[in-house]
Amino acid sequence: EAGVAQSPRYKIIEKRQSVAFWCNPISGHATLYWYQQILGQGPKLLIQFQNNGVVDDSQLPKDRFSAERLKGVDSTLKIQPAKLEDSAVYLCASSLGTGHSNQPQHFGDGTRLSIL
Amino acid sequence: DAKTTQPPSMDCAEGRAANLPCNHSTISGNEYVYWYRQIHSQGPQYIIHGLKNNETNEMASLIITEDRKSSTLILPHATLRDTAVYYCIVRVAVELGNEKLTFGTGTRLTIIP
Repeated sequence: EAGVAQSPRYKIIEKRQSVAFWCNPISGHATLYWYQQILGQGPKLLIQFQNNGVVDDSQLPKDRFSAERLKGVDSTLKIQPAKLEDSAVYLCASSLGTGHSNQPQHFGDGTRLSIL
Repeated sequence: DAKTTQPPSMDCAEGRAANLPCNHSTISGNEYVYWYRQIHSQGPQYIIHGLKNNETNEMASLIITEDRKSSTLILPHATLRDTAVYYCIVRVAVELGNEKLTFGTGTRLTIIP
């Protein structure tokens, strides 16, 4: 099966600019996650979708980050305006979702964002 | 979710078994132990998970102590491609809103030729 697709692979912007990342999960996966991974740390959950609804966005800096999954399939994560501390790898993951106990999360290879 | 403790780094000779320990002394009865790994420049990859019984799949074996306060991930014949950061995570059984994975800093495993 095709894995989780993310684009772009790399992005360099200046602080205060905006940026968007795209994710296409594995076909049939109801749950989609966005994680932020700062260099030297493990990934940290930003937001979780179940179909097109938000389940958990408690760690999303909502003053500058937004995410949507309008049709319950692919998703975009946006940062506006970017700060230096947003430099990180942004990972998208998907899983079958509730009703399928303990199904693993499948991750894409991420977008590496550098803020100048 | 329970906190886990892992050594920051380990080395293992190619072809030997790699044994990665994880301490989760505050684990609750309904929490599973998950292992993921992250190869450089890639996203995390699921390896295995278990509740209280030992588990084995094509990638690895998971040994959980009887009191469930610690576990060991075993890669039976390590290859250079197993060089990665290995994350041990404990998490409750899946319920809507509880599916998130809380990653620590993991163990950086280096396979030596």
